[in-house]
Amino acid sequence: DAGVTQSPTHLIKTRGQQVTLRCSPKSGHDTVSWYQQALGQGPQFIFQYYEEEERQRGNFPDRFSGHQFPNYSSELNVNALLLGDSALYLCASSYGLGTGVGTNQPQHFGDGTRLSIL
Amino acid sequence: GENVEQHPSTLSVQEGDSAVIKCTYSDSASNYFPWYKQELGKRPQLIIDIRSNVGEKKDQRIAVTLNKTAKHFSLHITETQPEDSAVYFCAANGGKLQFGAGTQVVVTP
Repeated sequence: DAGVTQSPTHLIKTRGQQVTLRCSPKSGHDTVSWYQQALGQGPQFIFQYYEEEERQRGNFPDRFSGHQFPNYSSELNVNALLLGDSALYLCASSYGLGTGVGTNQPQHFGDGTRLSIL
Repeated sequence: GENVEQHPSTLSVQEGDSAVIKCTYSDSASNYFPWYKQELGKRPQLIIDIRSNVGEKKDQRIAVTLNKTAKHFSLHITETQPEDSAVYFCAANGGKLQFGAGTQVVVTP
C-alpha cells in the first residue's frame, strides 16, 4: 500500500522563478492538503483540494496556486519566488472531505520537497 | 481563524519518566485534534488523535486528553524511551488543520 509520495525531494531555484511540486496521495484517499514548514516551525496550511477544486485556503498570497487531477494527485505552483519561500513543502492526504466528516479524518504526510531559493 | 499555542518549546526528561505537552486552541468549531511526531529530516507521523466527542484516548504509552470547555488538550507519554526523542506537534482542525509551534523532546538514558 503506497503512502503519500512527493517529487522532487530537493529543488534549488533563484528569486523570481516559478516552481511546481507534485504529490500523489495515499491509496484510497481523495483529499490533498499542502503545507509550508519553515525551519524550526510547525507546518502552515496553504490550501486543500477535493474533487479538483480548492476547498480551503490559508493565509498565503495568490503566488501560491494548485491543482488536483482526476486521479487525486495534486500540484503546488509558486510564482515569483522570494527568499522567504525557502522551506519544506509537505503534502498530506486524507479521505472523506465530501462526506461532511472530512475535517476529522487523519491526514498522512509525504516526505516533502525541500525548496531552497538563492 | 484558529490559533494553536503549544508549550513547552523544549522538554528534557530522563528515560523512564513521563512527558507532558500542552496545547490550547481558539476556535470553538474545532472538532479534531491530532498529534504528530517528527524526527529530524523526516515526515510528520500521526501518533494519536482525539475527536471532540471524547475526553481521553490512550494507545499503549501515549495518551491524549481534551477539555473542550477550556479549549485545551494535552499529550502524555509514559515510561519514555530514547526513541521518543523528536519534535511533537499538536494540531486542531475546524476546517483547516492548524499546527502548534512544536515541542522538542529529548529523552536522556
